Amino acid sequence: AQSVSQHNHHVILSEAASLELGCNYSYGGTVNLFWYVQYPGQHLQLLLKYFSGDPLVKGIKGFEAEFIKSKFSFNLRKPSVQWSDTAEYFCAVNARNRDDKIIFGKGTRLHILP
Amino acid sequence: GAGVSQSPSNKVTEKGKDVELRCDPISGHTALYWYRQSLGQGLEFLIYFQGNSAPDKSGLPSDRFSAERTGGSVSTLTIQRTQQEDSAVYLCASSSPGLAGGTDTGELFFGEGSRLTVL
Repeated sequence: AQSVSQHNHHVILSEAASLELGCNYSYGGTVNLFWYVQYPGQHLQLLLKYFSGDPLVKGIKGFEAEFIKSKFSFNLRKPSVQWSDTAEYFCAVNARNRDDKIIFGKGTRLHILP
Repeated sequence: GAGVSQSPSNKVTEKGKDVELRCDPISGHTALYWYRQSLGQGLEFLIYFQGNSAPDKSGLPSDRFSAERTGGSVSTLTIQRTQQEDSAVYLCASSSPGLAGGTDTGELFFGEGSRLTVL
């Protein structure tokens, strides 16, 4: 069964700093990968996803993630964060081409100092 | 409605009582998920429906938890004899078949959640 590990539970950055949130998954087969974001007081929403093709995926609000198959990783990046990026970020995975559940990591709370 | 609807939004109950949480997915979405969100635990998978059947119930914490889905639409999560450790936000999400193959590879659309507090 697949699993997801997010290395950073709580990250604090100043505005304009660069961001990288780690995500590693455990599954031997082909996967779909996702990053979801939950802004304070709001419901979870999709930030970006990888199904196939270019391993560098661009999402909303300037976020991107790179799928590195050899490292089983799908790290989230943003070159310059803003105060409005304060939120909780969740990495998720499911096995492709199967009726299979989507598993989430424990999340990373990102706090941006103005 | 346009989004996933969950009810009640807040539920306070006494230990030992039964509760029912309802999820109304986006029309036409074949897959429906239940997750539990508690502080420090992220999103804990509970159960997943494809149509009316549940291919994976492995996430249900105990036999006090059950879920059903009827007509390929509304789902109900039932917790019997609630315990204090059941306190959490219960999230429902639905998705339609994705474009990249498989029957469920699409984006999850989440509801606002049902916050359960067991006293």
